Amino acid sequence: GQQVMQIPQYQHVQEGEDFTTYCNSSTTLSNIQWYKQRPGGHPVFLIQLVKSGEVKKQKRLTFQFGEAKKNSSLHITATQTTDVGTYFCAGNTGGFKTIFGAGTRLFVKA
Amino acid sequence: GAGVSQTPSNKVTEKGKYVELRCDPISGHTALYWYRQSLGQGPEFLIYFQGTGAADDSGLPNDRFFAVRPEGSVSTLKIQRTERGDSAVYLCASSLKVLSVSGGAYNEQFFGPGTRLTVL
Repeated sequence: GQQVMQIPQYQHVQEGEDFTTYCNSSTTLSNIQWYKQRPGGHPVFLIQLVKSGEVKKQKRLTFQFGEAKKNSSLHITATQTTDVGTYFCAGNTGGFKTIFGAGTRLFVKA
Repeated sequence: GAGVSQTPSNKVTEKGKYVELRCDPISGHTALYWYRQSLGQGPEFLIYFQGTGAADDSGLPNDRFFAVRPEGSVSTLKIQRTERGDSAVYLCASSLKVLSVSGGAYNEQFFGPGTRLTVL
């Protein structure tokens, strides 16, 4: 079946270090979304990418969608303690079903 | 404005019982999704509504699960003969835009706080 794999499963960083999470799909995606979920909270939408090779930035966050529309990445520059949480990618593969990755849990040590 | 709300926030039931979980989407949002999330996992798609109709129910695990949205606003997820494996957080999300079959439409989903279902 359709799968969206996300790595790493978790990452510990020192505050100020960079962080990257990667998302790979077994099939071509029509769009990719990124969400953040704080501990005990619910997913909160960050961004959506729809074009091949698209790059979008939000302050310290950079999102990329691969040329083949099968992979994506989220890069955080100079992490802060407020970045703590789990980051999920999610995509649609030509239908209505949205498939989420298992998430990357980010721990930031002050 | 009010976000997506879900009731109850917690539900504890016994194996074999029937439960209903309710979702109130953001006013005016046509699209509504149900997901369930187990500990350490991402949300797992259950069903997608466009207005009153279920456009995609391929994620419902079996015929014990059913969802309705009779007036195109509030939705209820119904689980019959609950099993211990049904224990999870059930999330509802709504979106202003309706997805196209190509999936290319802007699809920002606003999630509710979830209902934690525990089946003993």
